[in-house]
Amino acid sequence: DQQVKQNSPSLSVQEGRISILNCDYTNSMFDYFLWYKKYPAEGPTFLISISSIKDKNEDGRFTVFLNKSAKHLSLHIVPSQPGDSAVYFCAAIDQGAQKLVFGQGTRLTINP
Amino acid sequence: KAGVTQTPRYLIKTRGQQVTLSCSPISGHRSVSWYQQTPGQGLQFLFEYFSETQRNKGNFPGRFSGRQFSNSRSEMNVSTLELGDSALYLCASSLRRGGAANTEAFFGQGTRLTVV
Repeated sequence: DQQVKQNSPSLSVQEGRISILNCDYTNSMFDYFLWYKKYPAEGPTFLISISSIKDKNEDGRFTVFLNKSAKHLSLHIVPSQPGDSAVYFCAAIDQGAQKLVFGQGTRLTINP
Repeated sequence: KAGVTQTPRYLIKTRGQQVTLSCSPISGHRSVSWYQQTPGQGLQFLFEYFSETQRNKGNFPGRFSGRQFSNSRSEMNVSTLELGDSALYLCASSLRRGGAANTEAFFGQGTRLTVV
């Protein structure tokens, strides 16, 4: 039962363009969402988060959008840079159950 | 301050053996969670320990177990290894339980387990 889904296993984007990574969730009890970035041979590192009371959070080139009615969130990276090439994991927190649940990840490749 | 430390980094075991992985969280962090990463499955939650007690458990068989010590260091044990247990095992530490109170988790580099 995959409560957090990233339906695109991979995404390829030209350098300088916008990268959009998508994530869907099924559990309406999730109230906080995070994105993690993972390079090979390293653990995931926290990138950006958003509370369910907001619909947008921006941090430099990274913006996360949350659409609660659609149970969908997305991560926008603009402009995309070669160093952004990594696997991105979407995660959700159910604070009541105190659980952190991850999606399957999307491998982003930025082409020069 | 030091990050999350996992040992060993790489491990090769044969089917039927058992293995113990170690995770030392960031100083002051009391929550340690374990995840299994396999291609296409993302990060599958194994269990979380907080103050030496297992607080949450994922959908893994009983062959997967863990414990946490008084210094918050945690160990994960897998008995009767199967080929399908080959994966990257990651541990994450956080201040509070299960990502509660909006705290992000800090991950170690993982232990790559190969079962042959």
